[in-house]
Amino acid sequence: AQTVTQSQPEMSVQEAETVTLSCTYDTSESNYYLFWYKQPPSRQMILVIRQEAYKQQNATENRFSVNFQKAAKSFSLKISDSQLGDTAMYFCAFMNLRTGNQFYFGTGTSLTVIP
Amino acid sequence: KAGVTQTPRYLIKTRGQQVTLSCSPISGHRSVSWYQQTPGQGLQFLFEYFSETQRNKGNFPGRFSGRQFSNSRSEMNVSTLELGDSALYLCASSLEGPGGEKLFFGSGTQLSVL
Repeated sequence: AQTVTQSQPEMSVQEAETVTLSCTYDTSESNYYLFWYKQPPSRQMILVIRQEAYKQQNATENRFSVNFQKAAKSFSLKISDSQLGDTAMYFCAFMNLRTGNQFYFGTGTSLTVIP
Repeated sequence: KAGVTQTPRYLIKTRGQQVTLSCSPISGHRSVSWYQQTPGQGLQFLFEYFSETQRNKGNFPGRFSGRQFSNSRSEMNVSTLELGDSALYLCASSLEGPGGEKLFFGSGTQLSVL
């Protein structure tokens, strides 16, 4: 079974500063994807960034980047130059390529950007 | 292109009743998944449908069921509602093949069971 753990229920950061959200996962699979999704108060889940497990290079999307440590089963999200619009719940998620579209989500980290 | 549409946005029911939630995927997406979101539990996978067939199922009781129509629209049904079924129910659609690992979510249906 796959599990995803987010150990930081709440975090805050000053506007323009950098923050890192932690995520660990447990799996015996070798082919999988990892994701960070953002859920603002509108409730709609928005894909922030995606990492293929077979790629050693860390994914980046503008101000968002990940630190993927496959051996340690760690997948943290770094948000640079934090903006007020980054205030949201952030969910880490795992998808096993062998079983297809069944995602496993962590319990989320509520991030507040302080002006 | 229109996004994933879920109706209704809010629903209030009483224990013992049944409820049907609807989801229209993005045009061209044939896979539709359903998730239950509760505070402190994150999102839990209910089931996934592809080409009108249930392809994956999570660990939920048989009171939770779903179906998919030929136009890829999907419905989820919960019978004999319990207080613990109060949650945000999210639907997501995706492509098949390359790019299919990306889920596109709707805004959810907030179900309150009294």
